[in-house]
Amino acid sequence: EAQVTQNPRYLITVTGKKLTVTCSQNMNHEYMSWYRQDPGLGLRQIYYSMNVEVTDKGDVPEGYKVSRKEKRNFPLILESPSPNQTSLYFCASSFTGSDTQYFGPGTRLTVL
Amino acid sequence: GIQVEQSPPDLILQEGANSTLRCNFSDSVNNLQWFHQNPWGQLINLFYIPSGTKQNGRLSATTVATERYSLLYISSSQTTDSGVYFCAVRGNQAGTALIFGKGTTLSVSS
Repeated sequence: EAQVTQNPRYLITVTGKKLTVTCSQNMNHEYMSWYRQDPGLGLRQIYYSMNVEVTDKGDVPEGYKVSRKEKRNFPLILESPSPNQTSLYFCASSFTGSDTQYFGPGTRLTVL
Repeated sequence: GIQVEQSPPDLILQEGANSTLRCNFSDSVNNLQWFHQNPWGQLINLFYIPSGTKQNGRLSATTVATERYSLLYISSSQTTDSGVYFCAVRGNQAGTALIFGKGTTLSVSS
């Protein structure tokens, strides 16, 4: 089944404890991206990647890192999480970015 | 950047009713998608429709790119249609994000 998977789906952590949210797709998509969703602010792009080893900042990249070492995986790294990073995170992928983007199931992150 | 406006912000329906959701956008786009966010937070793809008309069961969508709007039609609504409906667009520059509207919250009661 064609899909985008994210892990973990739910995470409660404490300020400053490094964490990684994984994202994987099995559709051989070149374009992948991360979004966060916050009440009143909607969905905003954090980072995106046009292909392996090609990443760029989205609208809200502060406090996040990404890497794209393989086509299928695009992990989101929070090196020192803070409470303002409490949010619902989505990973998405598509062939080019201008075609249909498929979203993962979301990761609910709470930083205490 | 591109602005996306959705209307109405909230919609309350009885089961069986029809509805039309609207999405206006401020510039040319190469991607327009409609999503349904269910009560568990998952974003479900409904349509990829940068132009033209598509139908999928009780749902259909039309995008008039030259006039910069899209419509989502829901017919014979069911309680499972409840949730938030988002329109999202992408501009013509490579690498630009999907820009989401604020959504229409639909509540369908039996």
